[in-house]
Amino acid sequence: QQQVKQSPQSLIVQKGGISIINCAYENTAFDYFPWYQQFPGKGPALLIAIRPDVSEKKEGRFTISFNKSAKQFSLHIMDSQPGDSATYFCAASYGGGYQKVTFGTGTKLQVIP
Amino acid sequence: NAGVMQNPRHLVRRRGQEARLRCSPMKGHSHVYWYRQLPEEGLKFMVYLQKENIIDESGMPKERFSAEFPKEGPSILRIQQVVRGDSAAYFCASSPRGGERNTEAFFGQGTRLTVV
Repeated sequence: QQQVKQSPQSLIVQKGGISIINCAYENTAFDYFPWYQQFPGKGPALLIAIRPDVSEKKEGRFTISFNKSAKQFSLHIMDSQPGDSATYFCAASYGGGYQKVTFGTGTKLQVIP
Repeated sequence: NAGVMQNPRHLVRRRGQEARLRCSPMKGHSHVYWYRQLPEEGLKFMVYLQKENIIDESGMPKERFSAEFPKEGPSILRIQQVVRGDSAAYFCASSPRGGERNTEAFFGQGTRLTVV
């Protein structure tokens, strides 16, 4: 019940295209859903986060869509750029904040010119 | 304001040796979290500490692993008698508060442990 399932495992997108990563969760107690971006040899960095009282959140080229009834959420990267090539993790936690985050298994995104 | 500092960045240990991983949280942060990342996998929660207290160690293996966050100095993750399966990247994150709304944590660059 603590799992967060993420797909696809890897993704290749052409420059300028839309990258879409999907996640699903089971624990309805989760109330905070962050996405992290990780470059090789670096720690994860918070990209964007959403709470279940909002169905969509947009920050620049990054958008989270959230479907509470389906217990699914997704990350859309518009106008994908080679610099976006990284591993993306969806995550979930409860308690209103960061504490004890459960991570998805990651999506390795490659944006080709 | 320096970020979360972890050292060493890379650590090689022979089977049976001890590994000590250090994490200095961001200035003003009193909450520390340790995560382990196996190759090609997501991060798995290990332990959550406040100064001088272990709040949640539900993700820690029962044996050989311990963590502390003393009043002064960095947080330490200690692995005794390391085995090959301990080879992983260990990440530390810190936050000014824990479990509250709008509390974000910041990750260090990790320590990559290799057991040979």
